[in-house]
Amino acid sequence: AQKVTQAQTEISVVEKEDVTLDCVYETRDTTYYLFWYKQPPSGELVFLIRRNSFDEQNEISGRYSWNFQKSTSSFNFTITASQVVDSAVYFCALSENRDDKIIFGKGTRLHILP
Amino acid sequence: GAGVSQTPSNKVTEKGKYVELRCDPISGHTALYWYRQSLGQGPEFLIYFQGTGAADDSGLPNDRFFAVRPEGSVSTLKIQRTERGDSAVYLCASSLTRSGDGYTFGSGTRLTVV
Repeated sequence: AQKVTQAQTEISVVEKEDVTLDCVYETRDTTYYLFWYKQPPSGELVFLIRRNSFDEQNEISGRYSWNFQKSTSSFNFTITASQVVDSAVYFCALSENRDDKIIFGKGTRLHILP
Repeated sequence: GAGVSQTPSNKVTEKGKYVELRCDPISGHTALYWYRQSLGQGPEFLIYFQGTGAADDSGLPNDRFFAVRPEGSVSTLKIQRTERGDSAVYLCASSLTRSGDGYTFGSGTRLTVV
C-alpha cells in the first residue's frame, strides 16, 4: 500500500533562515511519482514539483530545492533564505504508475516569522 | 476556462439534506479527480474520472456519495442524507492525461453540515 509520512506537523523559523521539510514515502511499485504542493492561507493547492522514480537528480528552482533519495525513501524539500510569503501548509504526495490517484501526506504547516 | 472552477465556494446545509457540488475542469483535460480535505488533514482521494467513466471510485466513503461526469467535462459530486462528519472542503482537480503530469486544483467548495 502507498503511504506518505510528513513527521513535522508545524515548523516556525525566522525570515531568511533555511528550512527543510521532510517526506518519507512507502510504495511497492518501482515506477512512481512524487510531488510537493503548497497550500497558502487562501486554500488553493499549488503544484510545486513532480519527480519520477527513475530520476534521482536533485532539483533546484530559485530558493527551492528538492532532495530525492530512493535508498531512504525520502523526498525532502528545502527553502533557502525563507520569506514571509513562504508561510503555508506544504504537502508531499505520491502516485503509483499503475494508479491514477495521488496520495497526500498530512502536511507540514510552515510559519516564517518576520 | 483558464483554471478549474468549483461552485459553490461555500455551502451550508442541514443534516439529512441532499447537496450537489459542481466542478468545471480545464478545457481539454480528460482526467478529473475529487478529493476531500478535512481540517488539519491532507486531501483524501474520493473518485477519479477518465472521460465520462469513473475509473476509480475506491475513495468514496459510503453509498451516500456519488459523482457523475455525463459529457466528459463538468462533474457533479452528490451527497445524500448529509451528516455533520461530511463537513470538509471538497476539492476538484483535472489533468491532461494521467496523474503523472500533476493536477491543477480548483479552490474547493467548503461544505458545512449543521
